Amino acid sequence: SQQGEEDPQALSIQEGENATMNCSYKTSINNLQWYRQNSGRGLVHLILIRSNEREKHSGRLRVTLDTSKKSSSLLITASRAADTASYFCATDVGGGSNYKLTFGKGTLLTVNP
Amino acid sequence: DADVTQTPRNRITKTGKRIMLECSQTKGHDRMYWYRQDPGLGLRLIYYSFDVKDINKGEISDGYSVSRQAQAKFSLSLESAIPNQTALYFCATSDLLGTGGEIGQFFGPGTRLTVL
Repeated sequence: SQQGEEDPQALSIQEGENATMNCSYKTSINNLQWYRQNSGRGLVHLILIRSNEREKHSGRLRVTLDTSKKSSSLLITASRAADTASYFCATDVGGGSNYKLTFGKGTLLTVNP
Repeated sequence: DADVTQTPRNRITKTGKRIMLECSQTKGHDRMYWYRQDPGLGLRLIYYSFDVKDINKGEISDGYSVSRQAQAKFSLSLESAIPNQTALYFCATSDLLGTGGEIGQFFGPGTRLTVL
């Protein structure tokens, strides 16, 4: 697997349900970030969780990070049709000129009204 | 006004043509990036720049070049476009957290490039 790999590739739920997406990575990280992309648009930064943090909340978003398992999850509670988008995790590794932010291939979330 | 702008938004060109994609930002960030996105492949880093005098190759820099004309401007050139460079191209900016790592990246709206 590559650095930053989301699971599942696609998820379809009903409005009001919770959506959970997972991300696994391979190397040590400075932080892990989640982004949303509406079809054909630029990515929008949602939330950043640092390597020394275990959980973070932002509105209806909850992100967890387990550095021992090299995995993260994004939970969207009480989903809305407007949450339909692709969601990407990105891992921040290295430093200085070795800095690198690597994106996964994304999870396509469809929220049905 | 948008913080990160890209021009053009759409471009159709022919094989062998030289193409320049431009990116401007008003966020005052030092760091700027160029990515391409292909269906099923996610985002791949082409070039990045940490300041005006610093340019670095990403994972797929072959066939591309960049110029950082100012803190606010970072352009991507395809010297001789080929069909497999057909993709969605994104510019992004960022800055450093005080405690290490970045604050997160801010993306432009993208340029859809088609090479015939």
